[in-house]
Amino acid sequence: KQEVTQIPAALSVPEGENLVLNCSFTDSAIYNLQWFRQDPGKGLTSLLLIQSSQREQTSGRLNASLDKSSGRSTLYIAASQPGDSATYLCAVTANQAGTALIFGKGTTLSVSS
Amino acid sequence: GAGVSQTPSNKVTEKGKYVELRCDPISGHTALYWYRQSLGQGPEFLIYFQGTGAADDSGLPNDRFFAVRPEGSVSTLKIQRTERGDSAVYLCASSLSGGVQETQYFGPGTRLLVL
Repeated sequence: KQEVTQIPAALSVPEGENLVLNCSFTDSAIYNLQWFRQDPGKGLTSLLLIQSSQREQTSGRLNASLDKSSGRSTLYIAASQPGDSATYLCAVTANQAGTALIFGKGTTLSVSS
Repeated sequence: GAGVSQTPSNKVTEKGKYVELRCDPISGHTALYWYRQSLGQGPEFLIYFQGTGAADDSGLPNDRFFAVRPEGSVSTLKIQRTERGDSAVYLCASSLSGGVQETQYFGPGTRLLVL
């Protein structure tokens, strides 16, 4: 059974720092991996989607990498801002689970000004 | 509509009551998903519709949970004989055709509290 783990569970940084969020998954047979952002009381917003054949994706200050063979992904946030404060969720689409997403518990990020 | 909408945004009910949660997906999206998110956890898959039919209902926890999508657009998640453990945020998502390469777009969720 596919399991997704995110470390750390919470992270606090001062504004301007570069930071890395980690995601690991137990079964390397995935179609893709996505990073989502969730603000309190709101739904999820997709940030980056990495196909299984890709190594990384970039959007603005965000860069996500994927090492499928080792079951790991990282989300790199450059020059963090207070507006980046949110919970970041990693999810995989596992081959055996159809198109349903399997999520980690998330990392709650707080960026102080 | 511009995005996925869900109603109500909040629902408080008593143990043993019946509740219905509604999801209105992005227009033209044939794939629709329901997830449940408990406090401090990531969302957990419940059911996936392709058009009017439930293509995968393996995530429904028991037979108290049921979902329909009669016309291939709006979906309703129905919970019978609610229990306190059903308290969670119920999220709905849609995608264009359900392909594994597609992004799923999420609604704001319905926060269900069972007293």
